[in-house]
Amino acid sequence: QPVLTQPPSSSASPGESARLTCTLNSDINVGSYNIYWYQQKPGSPPRYLLYYYSDSDKGQGSGVPSRFSGSKDASANTGILLISGLQTEDEADYYCMIWPSNAYVVFGGGTKLTVL
Amino acid sequence: EVQLVESGGGLVQPGGSLRLSCAASGFTFSSYSMNWVRQAPGKGLEWVSYISSSSSTINYADSVKGRFTISRDNAKNSLFLQMNSLRAEDTAVYYCARDRSAFDVWGQGTMVTVSS
Repeated sequence: QPVLTQPPSSSASPGESARLTCTLNSDINVGSYNIYWYQQKPGSPPRYLLYYYSDSDKGQGSGVPSRFSGSKDASANTGILLISGLQTEDEADYYCMIWPSNAYVVFGGGTKLTVL
Repeated sequence: EVQLVESGGGLVQPGGSLRLSCAASGFTFSSYSMNWVRQAPGKGLEWVSYISSSSSTINYADSVKGRFTISRDNAKNSLFLQMNSLRAEDTAVYYCARDRSAFDVWGQGTMVTVSS
């Protein structure tokens, strides 16, 4: 069973950038998967942000600002969500997700982003 | 407006049953695969089940296999989750989500509490 590990928390100041990571266990190669990212604010359902496979294969969710972007660090077997120009409204929980096969989905444990 | 609305949650005793519904509107429901995702109080997202647009492919998380049954009625734009032999650990908000590989549309969720 693939495991996606996200740091429980992260913080940054308004106007700065936040780099949220999603590390895949060593059994699976980040280069082989689309990494999906979701944002969830308290009391609301998750919101789809974007997916990233490569620089030539990526997609933004409807209405999601371009300051949200994805990337990968193959050396660390990690997917990355970069949020630039942080705003207080970006304070939320962020989840990564992959389809290890066509049969099921795995979510990371989530990162609580504090904008202070 | 594209919308998903869940219903059917509530309080049920351990070992009991519950049937969740998800009403879709604003898009061609029969063209999309659908999923159920749950979130225990204060916890992260957990994928529960998948059904293809024609119901030809159905998958479940190991944690619910043999107890939960996903189904859909394309004529009524509805998705269902029949939950039997409920356990305390099934307590969660249950979301239905439209599947475009990304879960791009989510309902507001319905709360299921399993307790005596």
